[in-house]
Amino acid sequence: DAKTTQPPSMDCAEGRAANLPCNHSTISGNEYVYWYRQIHSQGPQYIIHGLKNNETNEMASLIITEDRKSSTLILPHATLRDTAVYYCIVRVAVTGKLIFGQGTTLQVKP
Amino acid sequence: DTEVTQTPKHLVMGMTNKKSLKCEQHMGHRAMYWYKQKAKKPPELMFVYSYEKLSINESVPSRFSPECPNSSLLNLHLHALQPEDSALYLCASSQVPPGLAKNIQYFGAGTRLSVL
Repeated sequence: DAKTTQPPSMDCAEGRAANLPCNHSTISGNEYVYWYRQIHSQGPQYIIHGLKNNETNEMASLIITEDRKSSTLILPHATLRDTAVYYCIVRVAVTGKLIFGQGTTLQVKP
Repeated sequence: DTEVTQTPKHLVMGMTNKKSLKCEQHMGHRAMYWYKQKAKKPPELMFVYSYEKLSINESVPSRFSPECPNSSLLNLHLHALQPEDSALYLCASSQVPPGLAKNIQYFGAGTRLSVL
């Protein structure tokens, strides 16, 4: 199963873009990259996912490098409510299992 | 509406007790999941039900027994637990089974379990 590597923590100023990196160098061609976040004392919340192309939705943008070995989640205008643990996950191709890594704790500061 | 409801929110039980955790969704989702999350650790998959049949069991000890009585309901029966089983137990559901491209899992808020 492909593993992901994320920085353990990051800070971001409120109103600025938060760019969260993720390395997944062993990803297979048919494995999707998913991002979830978990705000304290809540269940994980789906943010976005992609295979090859960049993706954007109302919450965030996902940029996947051409070789697919890394990706970046972009929160365009971070707010205090975006403070959470962000998980980058490579979904196992055959079973579809989500195997969570250690995640990045994003602290948005005023 | 993307709500997954878990009850109870908190549960304290002794090692000889039998208890059950309940998870409910009314989104017509056909796959449901149990995860376990220890403090300051990421969630770990325990079980997956797809179309009401157990499709994945991540070698979970038999003191945890899942049940899917219908497509909207998922239970986790607990018996003879150990203190190290204390954790946040998360339920999730998805419209399509986990192996499909558009699989998105929606999580409940969890049941915080303490085993004394």
